[in-house]
Amino acid sequence: DTGVSQNPRHKITKRGQNVTFRCDPISEHNRLYWYRQTLGQGPEFLTYFQNEAQLEKSRLLSDRFSAERPKGSFSTLEIQRTEQGDSAMYLCASSPTLRLAGGWETQYFGPGTRLLVL
Amino acid sequence: KNEVEQSPQNLTAQEGEFITINCSYSVGISALHWLQQHPGGGIVSLFMLSSGKKKHGRLIATINIQEKHSSLHITASHPRDSAVYICAVRSVQGAQKLVFGQGTRLTINP
Repeated sequence: DTGVSQNPRHKITKRGQNVTFRCDPISEHNRLYWYRQTLGQGPEFLTYFQNEAQLEKSRLLSDRFSAERPKGSFSTLEIQRTEQGDSAMYLCASSPTLRLAGGWETQYFGPGTRLLVL
Repeated sequence: KNEVEQSPQNLTAQEGEFITINCSYSVGISALHWLQQHPGGGIVSLFMLSSGKKKHGRLIATINIQEKHSSLHITASHPRDSAVYICAVRSVQGAQKLVFGQGTRLTINP
């Protein structure tokens, strides 16, 4: 399978615990994005990497959230001291830097990690 | 007010009906995407548009840049089309991130 993969697919944790999610993008995709989606809503942008550089962070990404992409390949998203409001689907997407005809690129989404904080 | 608004939020129709989902946005954009999300979370990109109209099978997407409006049409709808359809824009200001609508939940009954 050469698509975007995310692990774990589901995570249940108690409030106050730390959790870490992993995203493996499509090979050779330079750009990697994290989004959060709560029930009944569309996804919201969290952060974006080009290679290993984190180039943009949403104000949604509080101090308890940190994302890394140390070697420019896989990425991790860590949430410290989880709160019930962190319960959501966390989506990862990747895209190549080479622009397709028309001047922009498609983002390819992973299956998501569903987090439930009790 | 959200930058991207979709209507309707929920739509139920009978198999074979012609479906229209609307998306309005309030920012300048460089691209608009229509995405499909099935239960379980997986998102698939259906179309990317910057002008005019695109067709893929029974799906048609149109965009009117002047009116800041896009529509997704499904002809001869089928129960397997049941999913959440999401409109997302890449704004001129934030060129790398997508701003999403809240989604339209479509249910096609046999």
